[in-house]
Amino acid sequence: SQQGEEDPQALSIQEGENATMNCSYKTSINNLQWYRQNSGRGLVHLILIRSNEREKHSGRLRVTLDTSKKSSSLLITASRAADTASYFCATDEDNQGGKLIFGQGTELSVKP
Amino acid sequence: AAGVIQSPRHLIKEKRETATLKCYPIPRHDTVYWYQQGPGQDPQFLISFYEKMQSDKGSIPDRFSAQQFSDYHSELNMSSLELGDSALYFCASSLVHGLAGGNNEQFFGPGTRLTVL
Repeated sequence: SQQGEEDPQALSIQEGENATMNCSYKTSINNLQWYRQNSGRGLVHLILIRSNEREKHSGRLRVTLDTSKKSSSLLITASRAADTASYFCATDEDNQGGKLIFGQGTELSVKP
Repeated sequence: AAGVIQSPRHLIKEKRETATLKCYPIPRHDTVYWYQQGPGQDPQFLISFYEKMQSDKGSIPDRFSAQQFSDYHSELNMSSLELGDSALYFCASSLVHGLAGGNNEQFFGPGTRLTVL
């Protein structure tokens, strides 16, 4: 990836458990966005967190951002089999015209 | 609500052929982005347009070109196709063009799956 790393690369959990994915980046950013992608399909926007925000919630999703460590985490609580997908973080860098730089993605498998 | 439309959804071409991918952004969105996602890879930025002018360029081969038309739809033209061009090509649109600290939320289309044989 051009921007950074996501970890873990793959995560397998049971339904009902929480899933945490981490993302690190290298540069100064305007915001960081998380996307979900089912196998070979489109990218679904989950949540955007601005550089001056530290935490954001949306339903079962909780995103944190630590700009001092240049890292973010996505927590999915009470996971469901339907959450099985790849999850990507993407950064909108300062003064870069809005293009997104994606992380390598975490492949989440939620077993029923 | 209207979403980003891409056509075709699937495209199969031979090596050295040309391909044209189309993108129709969400109405009133002023910026279009193109991304390429190879098998098992993360999406890579190719090129973007703001108000019909190219605004940024990423790792786009010289064999590729793109433009945005007066109705804001965009086309990605790919010539002399190679096997390595096989990928998912996404178009995304946004309303706020790269404003510092802004909510540049990008809405992605379903993608065009290009297979080069």
